[in-house]
Amino acid sequence: SQQGEEDPQALSIQEGENATMNCSYKTSINNLQWYRQNSGRGLVHLILIRSNEREKHSGRLRVTLDTSKKSSSLLITASRAADTASYFCATSRRSNDYKLSFGAGTTVTVRA
Amino acid sequence: EPEVTQTPSHQVTQMGQEVILRCVPISNHLYFYWYRQILGQKVEFLVSFYNNEISEKSEIFDDQFSVERPDGSNFTLKIRSTKLEDSAMYFCASGDRDMNTGELFFGEGSRLTVL
Repeated sequence: SQQGEEDPQALSIQEGENATMNCSYKTSINNLQWYRQNSGRGLVHLILIRSNEREKHSGRLRVTLDTSKKSSSLLITASRAADTASYFCATSRRSNDYKLSFGAGTTVTVRA
Repeated sequence: EPEVTQTPSHQVTQMGQEVILRCVPISNHLYFYWYRQILGQKVEFLVSFYNNEISEKSEIFDDQFSVERPDGSNFTLKIRSTKLEDSAMYFCASGDRDMNTGELFFGEGSRLTVL
């Protein structure tokens, strides 16, 4: 089954710095999404990028997608303590459903 | 802002007991999902539900699992005879008709502990 794999597994940065995490996947996709999970909470959708897109921005988030390398990156600029969370990439193979394959996640700690 | 709500937030049960996890999806959504996350592991797809029937299920979703939408608002996951390995966080999610947004809305989860 297709799954995303994030790296690094954990990241610790100072407030104001940028955080970059990567995701790789194995098979063709329709879209790739990033979700955030605060400790013990639900998943919150951050951003979606389609297979025919290369880059997307949303506020302090920047996502890239390289389908030739089957990889994506998520950049959080000017990080804040509130960005401390786990970040997951999730891929969808089809355009007509929401079935997602999640990666193992990157745990980001932003130090004040 | 509309949200997916799940109950209970935490349930402790004995092995072999039946458990029902409840979800209220966002009211105008048409697509419903259950995912689970075993502690320290990936979020895994269990089942999708559309038009009052299961549209897809994973290998995890065996005969011990069932889903139901008994009325216009609730969406339930039943585990008939729980096993230790069913201990996990179970997330309900819903999506609207416009799949172009691709966004799934997740609930806060129900933590199931099987003793």
